[in-house]
Amino acid sequence: AQKVTQAQTEISVVEKEDVTLDCVYETRDTTYYLFWYKQPPSGELVFLIRRNSFDEQNEISGRYSWNFQKSTSSFNFTITASQVVDSAVYFCALSGSSGNTPLVFGKGTRLSVIA
Amino acid sequence: DVKVTQSSRYLVKRTGEKVFLECVQDMDHENMFWYRQDPGLGLRLIYFSYDVKMKEKGDIPEGYSVSREKKERFSLILESASTNQTSMYLCASSLGSGQTSTDTQYFGPGTRLTVL
Repeated sequence: AQKVTQAQTEISVVEKEDVTLDCVYETRDTTYYLFWYKQPPSGELVFLIRRNSFDEQNEISGRYSWNFQKSTSSFNFTITASQVVDSAVYFCALSGSSGNTPLVFGKGTRLSVIA
Repeated sequence: DVKVTQSSRYLVKRTGEKVFLECVQDMDHENMFWYRQDPGLGLRLIYFSYDVKMKEKGDIPEGYSVSREKKERFSLILESASTNQTSMYLCASSLGSGQTSTDTQYFGPGTRLTVL
């Protein structure tokens, strides 16, 4: 069975601090995909990144970066110089490569950035 | 840009009513999904569909049914609404190819349903 664990339920930081959101996953598939989504107070889930299991290169997009480590089954997300607009719930998700395997989501981490 | 729309942002219904939640996507996606989101439980999959007239049960299908008569539209039906179905309902779609579901899912804005 596939599983995603986001151990941090809530995180609060002061603006301009860096913050890392943890994601640990479990799967028996050799090919799989990992995702991060952001859910701002408006409610809509916004896609941030998709990474397949064969690509362990770290990804950087502006203030966002992702660290994928197969050895520890982790796909952590770091926000550098956090801003109030980063306040949201962030979800990590996992999908296997075989048919009929929809996304499995973690329970989310609520990030509050305080001005 | 992918656009997924849901018929209502907020909905209030009475126990026992039949409720229809509509979802439309405009990107010719094969796959569509319905989730509910509850505090502390995250997102849970109710039903999904890989093609017109096809449907698959997710993790929590009890009390729900779905309809996909056209590729762009996926409806979630609560046959007889109950108070424990008060929740946020999120629809998503992905490009898909056959029965694979590894493509990125794009979400609608959600419908917050209250059943009194």
